[in-house]
Amino acid sequence: QVQLQESGPGLVKPSETLSLTCTVSGDSISTHCWNWIRQSPEKGLEWIAYIYSSGNRNYTPSLKSRITLSVDTSKNQFSLKLSSVTAADTAVYFCARGYSNFDSWGQGALVTVSS
Amino acid sequence: EIVMTQSPAALSVSPGERVALSCRASQSVKTNLAWYQQKPGQSPRLLIYDASTRATGIPARFSGSGSGTEFTLTISSLQSEDFAVYYCQQYNNWPPLTFGGGTKVEIK
Repeated sequence: QVQLQESGPGLVKPSETLSLTCTVSGDSISTHCWNWIRQSPEKGLEWIAYIYSSGNRNYTPSLKSRITLSVDTSKNQFSLKLSSVTAADTAVYFCARGYSNFDSWGQGALVTVSS
Repeated sequence: EIVMTQSPAALSVSPGERVALSCRASQSVKTNLAWYQQKPGQSPRLLIYDASTRATGIPARFSGSGSGTEFTLTISSLQSEDFAVYYCQQYNNWPPLTFGGGTKVEIK
């Protein structure tokens, strides 16, 4: 059974870069599409981006200029960097598996943007 | 961007009752629609995809219907473990993939 686990700092200062990693177990990262999704009371569920191990990526247009995605197949991990964060980026960040809809999710990581 | 609107925002239901949740798209998404269930402190769980196909392990009391702009998630007989928030999500025209605001099903 696949498991996903987000990790990274829970507090990020405004204007800095948010960094999260998702570690996948029970499945090969080379065989599926991997996503980042966030959830906040203000915006609800918001899809951020996906990446394949091949490097194929896609992004939500409103965040595209601030997103960097990467995959480490040796560690079965993929990562998100979101630059120039503001309070509006405060959310629970989920990693999830699937192309267009999501059949497995991590438990979520709360990231707060505050000085 | 396709806007997904769910109604009602919340409803109170007694165990054993049948409940129908509505999701409307701002333009046609054909049958490219998924439903998720989220309980407090948990991540969403995929219930339905392609508007009417149950995901692996989802009980038969959950069913999805609709196409175009109008969709319904029906729970035939509400169980105690079904009290949660339900979200719809379209994947016909993206990026971005978009979710509805959710419907909270509460115990009456």
